[in-house]
Amino acid sequence: AQSVTQLGSHVSVSEGALVLLRCNYSSSVPPYLFWYVQYPNQGLQLLLKYTSAATLVKGINGFEAEFKKSETSFHLTKPSAHMSDAAEYFCAVSEWGDYKLSFGAGTTVTVRA
Amino acid sequence: DGGITQSPKYLFRKEGQNVTLSCEQNLNHDAMYWYRQDPGQGLRLIYYSQIVNDFQKGDIAEGYSVSREKKESFPLTVTSAQKNPTAFYLCASSLTGATTDTQYFGPGTRLTVL
Repeated sequence: AQSVTQLGSHVSVSEGALVLLRCNYSSSVPPYLFWYVQYPNQGLQLLLKYTSAATLVKGINGFEAEFKKSETSFHLTKPSAHMSDAAEYFCAVSEWGDYKLSFGAGTTVTVRA
Repeated sequence: DGGITQSPKYLFRKEGQNVTLSCEQNLNHDAMYWYRQDPGQGLRLIYYSQIVNDFQKGDIAEGYSVSREKKESFPLTVTSAQKNPTAFYLCASSLTGATTDTQYFGPGTRLTVL
């Protein structure tokens, strides 16, 4: 069965600084990987997904993530944080033929002015 | 506008009562899902449905029930058998239910048991 570990439940960055959110996965077969963002009291919105094409995936709002099979990682980055990036971020994994997403526990990002 | 609507936004329930959470989508998606979100635990799948009149249990189905009589609707009933129902409930849909499909989420319903 697949699973996801997000390192760090809270991350604080200064406005304009690099945002780095870590995600490691466990999967017995090649995985499909997703990053979602959730603003307070709202649903989740897809930032980007990896489905076995290019290993560097670009998403919305300037975010990107790189699939590294050797490290079983799918870390999310953004070069320059904006105040509007303050939210909770979830990494999720699925496997071919499976119906469901398995979510990590989430990382809350705060942005300091 | 296409999307997913959930109602109500906030719901209060007395212990021992059943309550039903509404989820409607106009995206013409075949698959629909219900998740429960608790602080620090991410999202956990309650039920999912890939086609009308069919649904399967997820990881935490005990104390919940669903129906899928129409493509656009997937209501969730939280029964009195659910031991700890206070949580944020999210409904989602995807085009076919395929592994690589993007799931689109509604705004959620926050249920509080008094």
